[in-house]
Amino acid sequence: DAGITQSPRYKITETGRQVTLMCHQTWSHSYMFWYRQDLGHGLRLIYYSAAADITDKGEVPDGYVVSRSKTENFPLTLESATRSQTSVYFCASKERGRTDTQYFGPGTRLTVL
Amino acid sequence: GEDVEQSLFLSVREGDSSVINCTYTDSSSTYLYWYKQEPGAGLQLLTYIFSNMDMKQDQRLTVLLNKKDKHLSLRIADTQTGDSAIYFCAASSGGYQKVTFGTGTKLQVIP
Repeated sequence: DAGITQSPRYKITETGRQVTLMCHQTWSHSYMFWYRQDLGHGLRLIYYSAAADITDKGEVPDGYVVSRSKTENFPLTLESATRSQTSVYFCASKERGRTDTQYFGPGTRLTVL
Repeated sequence: GEDVEQSLFLSVREGDSSVINCTYTDSSSTYLYWYKQEPGAGLQLLTYIFSNMDMKQDQRLTVLLNKKDKHLSLRIADTQTGDSAIYFCAASSGGYQKVTFGTGTKLQVIP
């Protein structure tokens, strides 16, 4: 299907476990982003990528790792999950250009017990 | 850095107009956006306005921008129950395409 997809949609894990959230887009957009959404904080940028093999930190990168070996994929890994990482995670993509219109995936709801 | 603020909740009756307000702090913000998030879904771009514009109208949506006061508003005419959602204001000054989102305003439409 065309668009931007995330998997899994729901995940429950335990403190200390490694978790990887997947994001895939079919538009070949240059930019990809990971946000977390928490009550009272809106969306906060975790990491972003301007192209394959180019990634950079956002506002709240601690405890997260990203990679982008292919343009269409941008996985987010929690190396050792903590309860404070319980959140809804959104992936977004954007084509290079002057208008910053981002297209969002449906989100992954992650619960860390 | 940029800070974007919105009220958390708005309740209106079906058929009335809704006005959602937003303030931002960075006067160099070039693009200002309104996104809509329906329950269980990601954000969807509703409309955007460039900083050199005062107003933009798109069907039932009217965006007003007051650059002097750094104030953005979204007016939804003839609000319907399907408009019930969380509305996010966002601002960007370009650069590496960083967009700062507000906390979101939950719009409740009462039938």
